[in-house]
Amino acid sequence: GAGVSQSPSNKVTEKGKDVELRCDPISGHTALYWYRQSLGQGLEFLIYFQGNSAPDKSGLPSDRFSAERTGGSVSTLTIQRTQQEDSAVYLCASSLELAGEGEQFFGPGTRLTVL
Amino acid sequence: AQKVTQAQTEISVVEKEDVTLDCVYETRDTTYYLFWYKQPPSGELVFLIRRNSFDEQNEISGRYSWNFQKSTSSFNFTITASQVVDSAVYFCALKPNAGNMLTFGGGTRLMVKP
Repeated sequence: GAGVSQSPSNKVTEKGKDVELRCDPISGHTALYWYRQSLGQGLEFLIYFQGNSAPDKSGLPSDRFSAERTGGSVSTLTIQRTQQEDSAVYLCASSLELAGEGEQFFGPGTRLTVL
Repeated sequence: AQKVTQAQTEISVVEKEDVTLDCVYETRDTTYYLFWYKQPPSGELVFLIRRNSFDEQNEISGRYSWNFQKSTSSFNFTITASQVVDSAVYFCALKPNAGNMLTFGGGTRLMVKP
């Protein structure tokens, strides 16, 4: 079946603008994760969704970052008033299980450049 | 707190050489999972292997093998007879049994030259 898909693949924006990044998880996967990959910071966890439970937002770097997951499937990560340090590749992953062994399958990422 | 360290930031080998990528982790959990992912130039993270903390048996999959040693908190990855297509960034990651997110190491960039 189809893997995790993300859109857009590349996004260039001006400082101060808002951006929305989209993730379509693998069908049937109940858990969805957002990570950020940037130079100097490596791969960082941002937020996690599982079913109808409240999301784990412990990795969000500031209140400019938010995410939602509609209908337990598609997720949107929103960054408000973007800053240059937000430039990174934003990766989405999904998994079948909440805990234990479920490996996470990653999408191709969205490369965000803030000018 | 959890931490994963990949001390080798970059390794360069010639095709057909064997290469070992090191991974050392820290966790207070007794049950946890360890992963290796490959990130080729295309950018997508590709799952390679998962290991749980109760299974120290080494695993071999084709040219890939993994050595998990709980006593030294290490989960090393060896590629035998490396090929140019193995060139990528390899990430080791740790996940607690009850937790949700992966803690990644900094990655090791492997360059295999023909």
